[in-house]
Amino acid sequence: GESVGLHLPTLSVQEGDNSIINCAYSNSASDYFIWYKQESGKGPQFIIDIRSNMDKRQGQRVTVLLNKTVKHLSLQIAATQPGDSAVYFCAENIRSGGSYIPTFGRGTSLIVHP
Amino acid sequence: KAGVTQTPRYLIKTRGQQVTLSCSPISGHRSVSWYQQTPGQGLQFLFEYFSETQRNKGNFPGRFSGRQFSNSRSEMNVSTLELGDSALYLCASSSDPGTGYSEQYFGPGTRLTVT
Repeated sequence: GESVGLHLPTLSVQEGDNSIINCAYSNSASDYFIWYKQESGKGPQFIIDIRSNMDKRQGQRVTVLLNKTVKHLSLQIAATQPGDSAVYFCAENIRSGGSYIPTFGRGTSLIVHP
Repeated sequence: KAGVTQTPRYLIKTRGQQVTLSCSPISGHRSVSWYQQTPGQGLQFLFEYFSETQRNKGNFPGRFSGRQFSNSRSEMNVSTLELGDSALYLCASSSDPGTGYSEQYFGPGTRLTVT
């Protein structure tokens, strides 16, 4: 498959462990945040989102935490599985023109060992 | 429902040429966004089209342009290609019900290589 990035931070975990991926964002005006998963050779896939009026949101096996004070976002994946191996991006979004303008983090490569 | 499709999947062009990439959104989706992904700069927003109008634009030179047709299909054009334009170009569509954001669905991308 195609490489989506070189020299990305890498997180290696064992199958069944919990994973935590961190992201620092830059713009205090950002009011909407998204985590994406990108597998080799594919486009990014939406995982979970959170609005700035929340500090935690849970999905299936995933939790996103938002700390606006320090402009930090984290993605927690419970009971990580080999299929979770991918590059994970956060995106901060600023409202503009009736939509949003996204700015993406560099990404973290998650490697899950069976 | 068919996903977002992009054509071509791979393209090799020479410096100075121009290129047009095509994106067909998911049926019923009215918003189409384009992104550039490179190892050096990561994923960057190019522009977004909604109802044939450019609604937002990222920080790219005027050599990068796009348009959207009445059936929501979109094209992007890069003129006077430079080596640094080599990248994976991604298209994403969303239904945009008017609430400001709806989930984006990405296509597989077009891999452009400029030699």
